[in-house]
Amino acid sequence: EVQLLESGGGLVQPGGSLRLSCAASGFTFSSYAMSWVRQAPGKGLEWVSSFSGSGNRTYHADSVKGRFTISRDNSKNTLYLQMNSLRAEDTAVYYCAKVGAYGDYPPYYYGMDVWGQGTTVTVSS
Amino acid sequence: DIQMTQSPSSLSASVGDRVTITCRASQSISSYLNWYQQKPGKAPKLLIYAASSLQSGVPSRFSGSGSGTDFTLTISSLQPEDFATYYCQQTYSTLMYTFGQGTKLQI
Repeated sequence: EVQLLESGGGLVQPGGSLRLSCAASGFTFSSYAMSWVRQAPGKGLEWVSSFSGSGNRTYHADSVKGRFTISRDNSKNTLYLQMNSLRAEDTAVYYCAKVGAYGDYPPYYYGMDVWGQGTTVTVSS
Repeated sequence: DIQMTQSPSSLSASVGDRVTITCRASQSISSYLNWYQQKPGKAPKLLIYAASSLQSGVPSRFSGSGSGTDFTLTISSLQPEDFATYYCQQTYSTLMYTFGQGTKLQI
């Protein structure tokens, strides 16, 4: 069964740090791009960061650039999100998602086809 | 950055109704548009990719159309389990896949 399991969320003070993990199973993790998406309480989905399936390319939303770093360890089938200088507005449920590719040949279409259950980050004093 | 705007923000409908949700991109994104469904307390679920292709296992009452900047999600005959929030997402910008603000579909 294809599965993603996030961990590492919790309560942290403003200015603090936290590292989220996403353990993948049931698919060839190294072959796929992966993303983090968050959802603040009562709000919509916000794309946060992505890591390519090849080429070690990373992307971050402007709202977290310079504070958050996405990484992956293909030997451990795990995606990470290092969050520094946390702010109250970073309070959210954080989801990791597998980016699936569709099509028999380029250009491919992409979609977040597998999601974890989410981990909650609360930034408060 | 590509901005995605959905309308309406909320919608009331009844079981059996035909419903359409619209998504507009701030620039042309060809057919690089996905639709997701999210129920309270749950992770989102991919419904449609490439603007009009149904994800495996998704009922055929869901359909998508459009290209360029204007897209629609249609549910042909609402079922009780369809009441949820729906999001569009562009995948035109490499791995910077922004979402619309969501449309809450209520009974």
